[in-house]
Amino acid sequence: KNQVEQSPQSLIILEGKNCTLQCNYTVSPFSNLRWYKQDTGRGPVSLTIMTFSENTKSNGRYTATLDADTKQSSLHITASQLSDSASYICVVYQGFGNEKLTFGTGTRLTIIP
Amino acid sequence: NAGVTQTPKFQVLKTGQSMTLQCAQDMNHEYMSWYRQDPGMGLRLIHYSVGAGITDQGEVPNGYNVSRSTTEDFPLRLLSAAPSQTSVYFCASSRQGGANVLTFGAGSRLTVL
Repeated sequence: KNQVEQSPQSLIILEGKNCTLQCNYTVSPFSNLRWYKQDTGRGPVSLTIMTFSENTKSNGRYTATLDADTKQSSLHITASQLSDSASYICVVYQGFGNEKLTFGTGTRLTIIP
Repeated sequence: NAGVTQTPKFQVLKTGQSMTLQCAQDMNHEYMSWYRQDPGMGLRLIHYSVGAGITDQGEVPNGYNVSRSTTEDFPLRLLSAAPSQTSVYFCASSRQGGANVLTFGAGSRLTVL
C-alpha cells in the first residue's frame, strides 16, 4: 500500500534553534516529492518540489533532502522563527500515468520564544 | 491576484441538509480538485477535474457531487449531509494535473450536527 509517514508527529523548539523533520514513503512509482507548510486555519503552501534526481534543494532557511534509494526525505529548518510554527506536510506524486498524490499526516512544529 | 477562493469559510448544517461549497480560481488552471482534511489523517482527494466539462472521482467521493461548467469554478455539493462529513475542505488547482504544484484555497470548515 502506498504510504507517506512523517515523524515526529509534533515538535517544540526554541526560537533560533534548528530542526529536522522526516518523511518516509513507500509510494511506487515515484515522480516527485513536495513539502508544504500549513499555517493554522490556512491552506497548505508549497515550500519545495524534488524529483528523484535531486538530492538537495533549498528555499531560504528551508533545506529539503531526498534519498530515492532509501525512500526518505527530510526538511531542515535553520535559525527557526516564530512564523515557522505550522504543520509541515510531505506529499509524493506518482506520475508515469498515475496522477495520484499521497499525503503524509504532517508534523506540527511549534516555535517558542 | 486572488489565487483560489473558497466560500463559505465556516458552515454548520443539520443532518440531511444540502449545501454547496464554492471554489473559484483566477490563474487559468486546467486542473482543480477538492480534498478533505481530518485530524490524524492526510489530505484525501474527493473529486477532481482536468478541464471544463470533465470530472472524476477521487479516493472518497461518496456523498459528494461536482461539476465544472467553466475553467474558473469548481463547486462541491453535499446532497444530504451526514455527521461523517464534518471536516475541513480544501479546493486546490494547478496548471496541469498532479505533476504541477497545487495552489490551495484557505479552506472551508463544515460541521454537520
